[in-house]
This record gives sequence, C-alpha cells and structure tokens, in this order.
Amino acid sequence: GNSVTQMEGPVTLSEEAFLTINCTYTATGYPSLFWYVQYPGEGLQLLLKATKADDKGSNKGFEATYRKETTSFHLEKGSVQVSDSAVYFCALSHTNAGKSTFGDGTTLTVKP
Amino acid sequence: DTGVSQNPRHKITKRGQNVTFRCDPISEHNRLYWYRQTLGQGPEFLTYFQNEAQLEKSRLLSDRFSAERPKGSFSTLEIQRTEQGDSAMYLCASSFRTGGGDTQYFGPGTRLTVL
Repeated sequence: GNSVTQMEGPVTLSEEAFLTINCTYTATGYPSLFWYVQYPGEGLQLLLKATKADDKGSNKGFEATYRKETTSFHLEKGSVQVSDSAVYFCALSHTNAGKSTFGDGTTLTVKP
Repeated sequence: DTGVSQNPRHKITKRGQNVTFRCDPISEHNRLYWYRQTLGQGPEFLTYFQNEAQLEKSRLLSDRFSAERPKGSFSTLEIQRTEQGDSAMYLCASSFRTGGGDTQYFGPGTRLTVL
C-alpha cells in the first residue's frame, strides 16, 4: 500500500537559517504530492503541491520538487522566520482513489 | 467561500455513549473525507464520499462507526458505544474532483475525549 515517511523531528532552527524537511514515499503509479502545514491551534492548510514528476511546488518561500527517481518530495526554504514555526505534513494521493496518505509530521520551531 | 466547518469543536463523553459529529464542506465541493488524528501522528483516512455515495471505508472504521452524507451536502460521523481508544481529533476535508490530484481543504476538527 501507500506510505509516506518524513524525517523525525522536532527541528529547531534560528531565524534566517536554511530549512530542509525530508519526505519519501512508496506508492504505485503516479501520485500527486502535497505539503500541509498546521500552525498552533489551527487546522491543516495546504502549503504546496506537485502533480507529476519534476514539477516544483512553491508557496510563501517554500519549495519542493517531485523526484520520481528517488521517490522524494523534500521541503525547503532558504530563510525561515519565527512565524514558520508549525507542524509540517507530507502527503500523497491518487486522483481516482481520493484519499490522502500522510506522514507523521515534523515539528519546526524557529527561534529569534 | 466560508471554508469547511465542523461541529462541535470539542466533545467529552463517557465510555459507552454514542456521539455524532457534523461536517459542512465548501459548497461547490463534491468530495468529502473523514480522517482521524492522534497526538504525534498524521491524519489517518477513515472514509470518503463523492456526492452522496460512500466510495471507500478504511479498515480502521469498525462497525461502531458510521458516516452519512445525505443529499451530497453536509456529512455526519457517528460513533456508537465509544471506547477510550476512540479519543482523537476527527478531521473533515472536502475537495472538488479534478484531473490533477485532489486538493483537500480541511476543517478545524472535532476533538473527542472519551472518559
């Protein structure tokens, strides 16, 4: 079946540091890949997505590239801010299957 | 577009009681999903609807769980004879099926505590 593996957290960075959160997946066919973010006390929000190999999703300075050869979708940001402190979830879904499969989340804390 | 709403936001119940949660999706969305999330884990799929049809149910969804989506609008998730292991955040999401992968929009969740 499908599965998503995220790097274990928590991750603590200083403001303006470079961020990488690793995500690898196991799936049949060609899933769409997503990063969701959950800020403290709030619901899950879509951060970015990519629907086919070599696509790059980007939003709010975050980027992730769909790498089919390594089955990865790592999240990166060049300079994090305190306001980026949140839990980040990697997920995949197949168009015809509907449901999404999520990783366990990575907690990011950015200190001033 | 007011987003996905869920009620109640919090529910505390005693073991053995029945509980029902409601989800109102984004109005033009034809798909509706239920997930369960426990502390330190990602959401786990429970079931989903396309319009009023329930298309898939997870093996996590025991006989004590039932979900409905009458008329393809709001949905309810009922848990009968609750157990302490049912304590979790229950998330609802909705999407509009397209060819490029479903983008699911999540509600704030209903936190269930079973005493």
